[in-house]
Amino acid sequence: GAGVSQTPSNKVTEKGKYVELRCDPISGHTALYWYRQSLGQGPEFLIYFQGTGAADDSGLPNDRFFAVRPEGSVSTLKIQRTERGDSAVYLCASSFNMNTEAFFGQGTRLTVV
Amino acid sequence: SQELEQSPQSLIVQEGKNLTINCTSSKTLYGLYWYKQKYGEGLIFLMMLQKGGEEKSHEKITAKLDEKKQQSSLHITASQPSHAGIYLCGADFRGANSKLTFGKGITLSVRP
Repeated sequence: GAGVSQTPSNKVTEKGKYVELRCDPISGHTALYWYRQSLGQGPEFLIYFQGTGAADDSGLPNDRFFAVRPEGSVSTLKIQRTERGDSAVYLCASSFNMNTEAFFGQGTRLTVV
Repeated sequence: SQELEQSPQSLIVQEGKNLTINCTSSKTLYGLYWYKQKYGEGLIFLMMLQKGGEEKSHEKITAKLDEKKQQSSLHITASQPSHAGIYLCGADFRGANSKLTFGKGITLSVRP
C-alpha cells in the first residue's frame, strides 16, 4: 500500500480481555516499529523488528505485551489481560532500513473499560 | 521524556507571522527527527538531521541542529492555518534509527 496501515482504527475492550492490533507496513520496508502514545505525551517506543526478528523489545512494559512479524511484513501487537492503563493510541511505523526515516500509520486507539 | 525537552509547550500565532520552536537534549544526539501530528492522527515526517550544524528546508519550514548536536530548532516562515498541529521531535541516542525518544510535543495554533 501507499502508506502504513493499521487496523482497527478504534478498539474498545473490557478489562481482562485479549486484543490484537495489526500493522501493514509500506511494501519493501524491512524495519517495523511499535510505539504507544498517551494523551498529551509523545510516542513511547515499544518494540522494533528487523525482518522477522524482534531486534529490540526493551520498551514492552511487561509480559502481557507481545508482538510478532512472522513473514517480515505484517506485524501484530498482542495484549493479554488488558488493564485500564493500557488505554492509549498504538502507533506503528516502518522504514526502508534502520538508517532511514520512519513513516507512521494513523494508529489504533485502544480503550479498556 | 526528560531526556528531551520541547519549548514552548504551546504557541498561538497570527497567520503570516514567523515562529521558532525548540527541542533540547540532555545528551548528544546521533540524529534528530521532526514530525507533525494532527489531533487523532498519525505522525507526518518532516525532516531528519544528523550532522552538527546541519540545516534543512522544505517549503516554508527550516530545521537546524546545533554544532554540539544537543539542540534543534524548527522555524516556520509566514505561517498558515495548514501549519497548525503538534510538532514532535524524536531523538536517536544510539546511532541507529531503531528507537526514537520523543518529546511531549508543541501545539501550534495559527489564527487566520
